[in-house]
Amino acid sequence: DAGVIQSPRHEVTEMGQEVTLRCKPISGHNSLFWYRQTMMRGLELLIYFNNNVPIDDSGMPEDRFSAKMPNASFSTLKIQPSEPRDSAVYFCASSLLDIPYEQYFGPGTRLTVT
Amino acid sequence: TQLLEQSPQFLSIQEGENLTVYCNSSSVFSSLQWYRQEPGEGPVLLVTVVTGGEVKKLKRLTFQFGDARKDSSLHITAAQTGDTGLYLCAGDRTSYGKLTFGQGTILTVHP
Repeated sequence: DAGVIQSPRHEVTEMGQEVTLRCKPISGHNSLFWYRQTMMRGLELLIYFNNNVPIDDSGMPEDRFSAKMPNASFSTLKIQPSEPRDSAVYFCASSLLDIPYEQYFGPGTRLTVT
Repeated sequence: TQLLEQSPQFLSIQEGENLTVYCNSSSVFSSLQWYRQEPGEGPVLLVTVVTGGEVKKLKRLTFQFGDARKDSSLHITAAQTGDTGLYLCAGDRTSYGKLTFGQGTILTVHP
């Protein structure tokens, strides 16, 4: 069975550019989570969706960040405009709605903003 | 201030030794998870504990949830080089999956 799929695996962009990260959750999972991992702050929850609906976006750093989930098998995290401090590894995770704390992570997207 | 404090941050041991990693908080959690992460990969779920005092074993790994559901420990018996990695604890206070992660323990097991 395929796990969580993320693309791209690596992204290098210049400050001010728009960046879009993509995620395909595990088939049948109906909760999706976006995280960011840095050395300084560790792993932080940015936003999560239940049945494609955003439930809690309190972890989104600022208005430059937005996330969508148009259907059960696809989600995007967009940063516009990007800044060097956005450099991090971004993870997508999914879970079953009735076991939300058992989350399965994708391989991550390493974002570098120069 | 970290909601979940992990200790130690770094652990370097020889193959065959035993070790314990701790995850502590002043908050009560409805569940607590342990993950293991290798370089360039996402965290992999090892175990979930939900009941105060619960003990779960996964081969050489023993996980315990504190009676008050505020802390947890991971004990590895006879460590192997394949145990090397970043160990993360995560707690859910909401029951909705809004996980808070500890800073992690980097374990290195030398042959």
